[in-house]
Amino acid sequence: AQKVTQTQTSISVMEKTTVTMDCVYETQDSSYFLFWYKQTASGEIVFLIRQDSYKKENATVGHYSLNFQKPKSSIGLIITATQIEDSAVYFCAMREGITGNTRKLIFGLGTTLQVQP
Amino acid sequence: EAAVTQSPRSKVAVTGGKVTLSCHQTNNHDYMYWYRQDTGHGLRLIHYSYVADSTEKGDIPDGYKASRPSQENFSLILELASLSQTAVYFCASSDWGASQNTLYFGAGTRLSVL
Repeated sequence: AQKVTQTQTSISVMEKTTVTMDCVYETQDSSYFLFWYKQTASGEIVFLIRQDSYKKENATVGHYSLNFQKPKSSIGLIITATQIEDSAVYFCAMREGITGNTRKLIFGLGTTLQVQP
Repeated sequence: EAAVTQSPRSKVAVTGGKVTLSCHQTNNHDYMYWYRQDTGHGLRLIHYSYVADSTEKGDIPDGYKASRPSQENFSLILELASLSQTAVYFCASSDWGASQNTLYFGAGTRLSVL
């Protein structure tokens, strides 16, 4: 069965440092898609970055990048030069590509990031 | 301008009453979803739709109905609201193209059932 696990409930870092948030997933599919979303204090949920399982290169968007370790079923989110406004809840999500229900995303429980000045 | 708009943004309902949450998208996406968010449970899928006049059950459909009268509109209906349905509800839309089903969320509706 499809499953997404975020083991870090909360993380606190100093501004301008680099933080990594962990996510492991379970799937029987050889093709799948991994996403990270950010939920701000206002409740807004925004898409950040996506990794396609068949791509070897780690995705990068702005100061967000991914550490995709396929043999470990792991997709870490790396935020470099953190800013106060990066404080939020970060969700990892997965969509299977072939078997199972390919039309929905399954979410992890989220990691709360607090960036301190 | 927001491409996925939910209404109302918050609502207080009485137990046993009927509640309708509405969602409108201007993304021209085929897929629309209703998720529920509770503390400790993350986001869980209630219903979704990939074409007008058709809906599919998600992971927690019990106690909810959905309606997709057009590509742009998707409603979530609680026929007999219960205390356990107090939560924040998010609507989302996506396409099936290059974005690989990336979801775009509305601002959420906070529902309190008393």
